[in-house]
Amino acid sequence: GESVGLHLPTLSVQEGDNSIINCAYSNSASDYFIWYKQESGKGPQFIIDIRSNMDKRQGQRVTVLLNKTVKHLSLQIAATQPGDSAVYFCAENIWAAGNKLTFGGGTRVLVKP
Amino acid sequence: GAVVSQHPSWVICKSGTSVKIECRSLDFQATTMFWYRQFPKQSLMLMATSNEGSKATYEQGVEKDKFLINHASLTLSTLTVTSAHPEDSSFYLCSARDFTGGRQETQYFGPGTRLLVL
Repeated sequence: GESVGLHLPTLSVQEGDNSIINCAYSNSASDYFIWYKQESGKGPQFIIDIRSNMDKRQGQRVTVLLNKTVKHLSLQIAATQPGDSAVYFCAENIWAAGNKLTFGGGTRVLVKP
Repeated sequence: GAVVSQHPSWVICKSGTSVKIECRSLDFQATTMFWYRQFPKQSLMLMATSNEGSKATYEQGVEKDKFLINHASLTLSTLTVTSAHPEDSSFYLCSARDFTGGRQETQYFGPGTRLLVL
């Protein structure tokens, strides 16, 4: 479900290290998941997606892992760069429930040089 | 591909006036667009689903008479905030689904419109 709060969890990572951002989702009927990156003052940017019939999907420097047993989603960023500093949101979709995205609360990633 | 634009990018208006925000899919047709609102340091909240050629579907708690949505063509949806008040100040985002590119569930977002009501 939707998470609202004034303080975003923050992940500080050294430039060049790998980042892992976690997301717990609530609905076992969710069939599609997306990770978005949002820089300050901009709209969310699509990073990678995964369907519920998969448990792993790789893109350029990013990997999404899905564990349906515990309803957990993660985004791994390899060799994190300063340009990766942003807020990352996971979103879940349920086709049967109107095919709408429900967003998680977000995680802020700060890359230290 | 899958580029979505919004106009204006920011607007300042007086309390009681109406503001129209446009959302366009530039390189694809979008039968469905979505409107979100985002307050500082918070997540995106879905306001309504905009369907081309039919009435919008509003989320619970969103006043349809205050937030008028029109989806007149396959590439344009508009959100009009009527009789705006300071509490309507927020970052408004639209998104669209590209049904021609394969993954029908993927939503692509516009750059957002920041509204400040004085």
